[in-house]
Amino acid sequence: DTEVTQTPKHLVMGMTNKKSLKCEQHMGHRAMYWYKQKAKKPPELMFVYSYEKLSINESVPSRFSPECPNSSLLNLHLHALQPEDSALYLCASSQNPGGGYNEQFFGPGTRLTVL
Amino acid sequence: GENVEQHPSTLSVQEGDSAVIKCTYSDSASNYFPWYKQELGKRPQLIIDIRSNVGEKKDQRIAVTLNKTAKHFSLHITETQPEDSAVYFCAASSWGKLQFGAGTQVVVTP
Repeated sequence: DTEVTQTPKHLVMGMTNKKSLKCEQHMGHRAMYWYKQKAKKPPELMFVYSYEKLSINESVPSRFSPECPNSSLLNLHLHALQPEDSALYLCASSQNPGGGYNEQFFGPGTRLTVL
Repeated sequence: GENVEQHPSTLSVQEGDSAVIKCTYSDSASNYFPWYKQELGKRPQLIIDIRSNVGEKKDQRIAVTLNKTAKHFSLHITETQPEDSAVYFCAASSWGKLQFGAGTQVVVTP
């Protein structure tokens, strides 16, 4: 399996809802990432997990809560989001945390709409 | 932190012509430079990358050059085809953290 998968593909939620995005990879990669991408903009890094531990948090608001239950899974828990949080949320993985030469493979993304 | 600038923001080329996209970076510690292609509604897909110890790399119609001294790198697409139409992002990586350029919308007209 050489893909990163994400569920759901689309998500519509109200500002009081709690939901979770899921990401999975079976390539044995030890680094996993969450990115946020607004229309016509590049992906913006949110979180990095290295060996299942949170290594980078790019000053993301606490209404986004990441979780890495094991080396293949990455979740992003959402609570009390704002309409401006509507975006494409991309998960990525790479073989080696830290260091260079770190090819990242992206999942298809979850298109999130906050009403 | 790293800052990556990408030009042009849009590029329109006739089918069969070449396309060139240029990026500059600020952090001399960056040592890996991937290029991603993103079609509308799809995920970014790696099309080519280059490491800091290499000056040029080619894969069929796509090539990338890197000038470490000047801190700039470029993507060259030759013999463009309509399916090359997409947004292209350059990126620079230091310590496993990718910083993307703003993107270039490439339109190839038949």
